[in-house]
Amino acid sequence: DIQMTQSPSSVSASVGDRVTITCQASQGISSWLAWYQQKPGKAPKLLIYAASSLQSGVPSRFSGSGSGTDFTLTISSLQPEDFATYYCQQANSFPTFGQGTRLEIK
Amino acid sequence: QVQLQESGPGLVKPSETLSLTCTVSGGSISSYYWSWIRQPPGKGLEWIGYIYYSGSTNYNPSLKSRVTISVDTSKNQFSLKLSSVTAADTAVYYCARDWVDYDILTGYHYYYMDVWGKGTTVTVSS
Repeated sequence: DIQMTQSPSSVSASVGDRVTITCQASQGISSWLAWYQQKPGKAPKLLIYAASSLQSGVPSRFSGSGSGTDFTLTISSLQPEDFATYYCQQANSFPTFGQGTRLEIK
Repeated sequence: QVQLQESGPGLVKPSETLSLTCTVSGGSISSYYWSWIRQPPGKGLEWIGYIYYSGSTNYNPSLKSRVTISVDTSKNQFSLKLSSVTAADTAVYYCARDWVDYDILTGYHYYYMDVWGKGTTVTVSS
């Protein structure tokens, strides 16, 4: 199976900051990667699919990039509602998730 | 819009079978893939398996010997059974709709979970 490794495991930032989270796949996955946001006690929400395509209704401050084994999720200007845990997921026939990155208020 | 709702016992005894159902409302179960995902307390997400509305399935290899996912299109539901449970199976269980992408060059399908249920907590304890 393909292992997904996110970094950092947690990050502290302030409203208005630009934040980048990285995800590395143990083998090449082309652009078949998604990013999810999860708030405490809630189900994950799909933000980005195919590495860089924004899911309908997701604010444009979220963006994704990368291909092969290295991917990034960038939030251009943090809003209060963005403080959450973020997961990457490789999308092949045996989907696997990264361990998550917790984004906390500084 | 499509909504998913998990249902089933919140407490299961060790060695018994965990059974959950996901009811799809606001849309048809047909023409989609549907997944089960779980999240142990304080931990990350683990994909359990998916089913196509026609009944074809694919399971996480680490759980394959204990998992059965089935679909009832007449009720717009799909279900999860996990046998021989232990405390390690304690988790929040989510059902989700898969949005499937297709690579025309390789013929492979790729799976994103675009609609999720709220999740249901299952505790394995005697």
